[in-house]
Amino acid sequence: NAGVTQTPKFQVLKTGQSMTLQCAQDMNHEYMSWYRQDPGMGLRLIHYSVGAGITDQGEVPNGYNVSRSTTEDFPLRLLSAAPSQTSVYFCASSSLGANTEAFFGQGTRLTVV
Amino acid sequence: RKEVEQDPGPFNVPEGATVAFNCTYSNSASQSFFWYRQDCRKEPKLLMSVYSSGNEDGRFTAQLNRASQYISLLIRDSKLSDSATYLCVVSGGGFKTIFGAGTRLFVKA
Repeated sequence: NAGVTQTPKFQVLKTGQSMTLQCAQDMNHEYMSWYRQDPGMGLRLIHYSVGAGITDQGEVPNGYNVSRSTTEDFPLRLLSAAPSQTSVYFCASSSLGANTEAFFGQGTRLTVV
Repeated sequence: RKEVEQDPGPFNVPEGATVAFNCTYSNSASQSFFWYRQDCRKEPKLLMSVYSSGNEDGRFTAQLNRASQYISLLIRDSKLSDSATYLCVVSGGGFKTIFGAGTRLFVKA
């Protein structure tokens, strides 16, 4: 059972570089989301999607783009990496509706130097 | 004001103790409420959903007070394995799922 698969697990970028964090789920979930987690800040919502072709901004969207061309995939793009984007990134998916469990990927530890 | 606020930690308790965590949320349109557990350097995992009538799962009891926009988690007979960060989670009101900053629990022998 794959669940939610995130890649890569670790990444070091130089300031100004761009990259894409991959997220895929095999549970046919409509809802997918990206969070970043910083010490003392908890998980902050970056972007989310309620289905293919539909995305919306979360709490901290600046510097990130997303797209949802299929139900399974929800990549997160960093356009021009900055040291402030050093963080742990989690992708999550769930069914729509009340009281549905969110399943998380294992996280990506990103360092921008 | 943050949308979801939790007790600051850490909580340091001996094995066998009872410990309670509190959480408040600001969006009155919120529909679903959860407690997640996160172990060090791991992804969050669902501990339990929180229902209006309150619910219990073994040593864990969750309560929801919609009027006060307040959620709680009670852990009885704490075990060493309960040491983790507990995240209060609120969703609804536009499909956003918002996490609190988390409360760290250390259970000591």
